[in-house]
Amino acid sequence: KAGVTQTPRYLIKTRGQQVTLSCSPISGHRSVSWYQQTPGQGLQFLFEYFSETQRNKGNFPGRFSGRQFSNSRSEMNVSTLELGDSALYLCASMRADMTQETQYFGPGTRLLVL
Amino acid sequence: QQQVKQSPQSLIVQKGGISIINCAYENTAFDYFPWYQQFPGKGPALLIAIRPDVSEKKEGRFTISFNKSAKQFSLHIMDSQPGDSATYFCAASLMNYGGSQGNLIFGKGTKLSVKP
Repeated sequence: KAGVTQTPRYLIKTRGQQVTLSCSPISGHRSVSWYQQTPGQGLQFLFEYFSETQRNKGNFPGRFSGRQFSNSRSEMNVSTLELGDSALYLCASMRADMTQETQYFGPGTRLLVL
Repeated sequence: QQQVKQSPQSLIVQKGGISIINCAYENTAFDYFPWYQQFPGKGPALLIAIRPDVSEKKEGRFTISFNKSAKQFSLHIMDSQPGDSATYFCAASLMNYGGSQGNLIFGKGTKLSVKP
C-alpha cells in the first residue's frame, strides 16, 4: 500500500508570494491533517479535513488555508508569504473510522521563504 | 491548557542502555497519547500509543508508562541501539474533539543519540 505522498518536496519562494502544497493520503483514508514543523516551535497543528470539510483548526492566521477533494487528496495554501513561514509542512492521513487512530505522515514539503 | 511538555531536549545513551523520555500534559480531557519517531529527512512515524485506561503498554523494546493522576507519560527504550538514534515526539489528542483525533498536540521533541 502506498504511503502518504506530498508534492513538491522542496520549494523556494519570496516574501509576498503565495504557495500551494499537495498531499495524497493513503488509499481509503478519509482524514487529512496538516502540520508545520520548525526548529523553534516544533510540530504545530494547522487544520484537519474530513469528507471535504474542515473539521479542526489550529491557531494559525487566515493566510493559511486548505481544502480537500472528493478523492480525499488535500491542498494547503499560504498567501502573502512571510519569512517566518519557512518550515517543513507535513501532511498526515488517517482512516478516521474510529476503529483505528493512527495518523500516517508523509515526508513533508520543505518551504524556504526568501 | 493545550500544552504537552517534553524532556529532556536531548539524550545520549550508550548502546544497550535504557533511554527514558518524559512528557507532561495539562488538559485532563486528552485521551490518546502516541509517541512518534522521526529520522532526518523523513516524516514522523508512529512508534507506540496508549489510552488513559492503561498504565503501561509494551511493544518490543518500547514501553509507554502512563500516570493519569500525575498527568505524565514516558517512553522507555530498552537495550537502546545506534539505529534508535532519532528525534522522538510525544503527543496528545482528544478522541471526541470535533469527532476526530486529527489534531495532535506535540511535545517539542527529544533528540536521542545512542553511542556504539
